[in-house]
Amino acid sequence: GEDVEQSLFLSVREGDSSVINCTYTDSSSTYLYWYKQEPGAGLQLLTYIFSNMDMKQDQRLTVLLNKKDKHLSLRIADTQTGDSAIYFCAESIDQAGTALIFGKGTTLSVSS
Amino acid sequence: NAGVTQTPKFRVLKTGQSMTLLCAQDMNHEYMYWYRQDPGMGLRLIHYSVGEGTTAKGEVPDGYNVSRLKKQNFLLGLESAAPSQTSVYFCASSYSEATISINTEAFFGQGTRLTVV
Repeated sequence: GEDVEQSLFLSVREGDSSVINCTYTDSSSTYLYWYKQEPGAGLQLLTYIFSNMDMKQDQRLTVLLNKKDKHLSLRIADTQTGDSAIYFCAESIDQAGTALIFGKGTTLSVSS
Repeated sequence: NAGVTQTPKFRVLKTGQSMTLLCAQDMNHEYMYWYRQDPGMGLRLIHYSVGEGTTAKGEVPDGYNVSRLKKQNFLLGLESAAPSQTSVYFCASSYSEATISINTEAFFGQGTRLTVV
């Protein structure tokens, strides 16, 4: 079945760049997503990338997609303490790109 | 604008009891989803619905039933609760038109913490 893998923890210093990596299995996924979850809250969409794109930049966020290796990464430039959260990678399992399979989440800890 | 609302927020059940979790959205979304979130397991899709009157199984559907009688509501039922169903349950909704990029976003509720003893 479909599976999404990501590292569980990442610790960085304020001002550094953070890179969170993810691998997925479903080569037919139309959209790939990054969600952010703050303590006690639901998930919020950070950014997404369509499967025919290699890169997408959105302010401090850069998403890179290597479709051949089924590898997705999220780079956060100039990481701030407010970026501390759990980040989930997700792939879509339906044609509309809306039914998602999530990874286990990467906990990002930012120290000042 | 309420967005996605889940009720209840917390619940404790005894093994074998039944209950229904309610998800309501006021954004006229076609798609609705139920996920469970467990430590070390991330989010797993239980069931989803692509429109009123339709449902589909996700990754972990066993032990759960769902109904989508009204477009704005998606109900998750546990007929006979088991300790393995202790989890945080998240409901989400989204538009169906993936060609409109912003409409691919899924909006999540705040979660329901369920404990089965």
